[in-house]
Amino acid sequence: ETGVTQTPRHLVMGMTNKKSLKCEQHLGHNAMYWYKQSAKKPLELMFVYNFKEQTENNSVPSRFSPECPNSSHLFLHLHTLQPEDSALYLCASSQGGKPSELFFGSGTQLSVL
Amino acid sequence: AQKVTQAQTEISVVEKEDVTLDCVYETRDTTYYLFWYKQPPSGELVFLIRRNSFDEQNEISGRYSWNFQKSTSSFNFTITASQVVDSAVYFCALSFNQAGTALIFGKGTTLSVSS
Repeated sequence: ETGVTQTPRHLVMGMTNKKSLKCEQHLGHNAMYWYKQSAKKPLELMFVYNFKEQTENNSVPSRFSPECPNSSHLFLHLHTLQPEDSALYLCASSQGGKPSELFFGSGTQLSVL
Repeated sequence: AQKVTQAQTEISVVEKEDVTLDCVYETRDTTYYLFWYKQPPSGELVFLIRRNSFDEQNEISGRYSWNFQKSTSSFNFTITASQVVDSAVYFCALSFNQAGTALIFGKGTTLSVSS
């Protein structure tokens, strides 16, 4: 299996729907991240979890709700999204501690109609 | 403020040409780390290199080379004899010596290599 797996690869949802993105890492890392990649913008850090504890929330709207039940799994729960939330959502993991190499998943391409 | 600037939005070259991707960073910290990532069409970001602020030695890995110059706050990436498989978006990123702090990315440079 690849190191970081994200499902689904593609998701189309209406503004009133509730959906969840899933990320799983098989690398034994202790830190996991959600990034948002919009067209023509830098990758934006959304959330950071270290040892299942959220250590960073980059002023993300409450319609995005992360969950980290254990150090291998990370979810991003979505509800009442806006069309401008359409983007590629990337999950990453790292060993934590000092800045280290991030391992990224392939992302979920989200379209909000 | 910490910031990474990749001024080149898109670059197009023909196979076998050399190409340099520019990266300029801003930080007041004396200890920091610089990275390059590659994002092929499949979407997954692939780590290429990490360099810490105390190591200005240039690095070469096959066709890839990196030129780190603290005097100009630049960390440029050169691909020699480019190939079609090098076509991707390349991101430069900055991070700091704090546990749990993740990367600050530039906007990326899209490289297209034609045959």
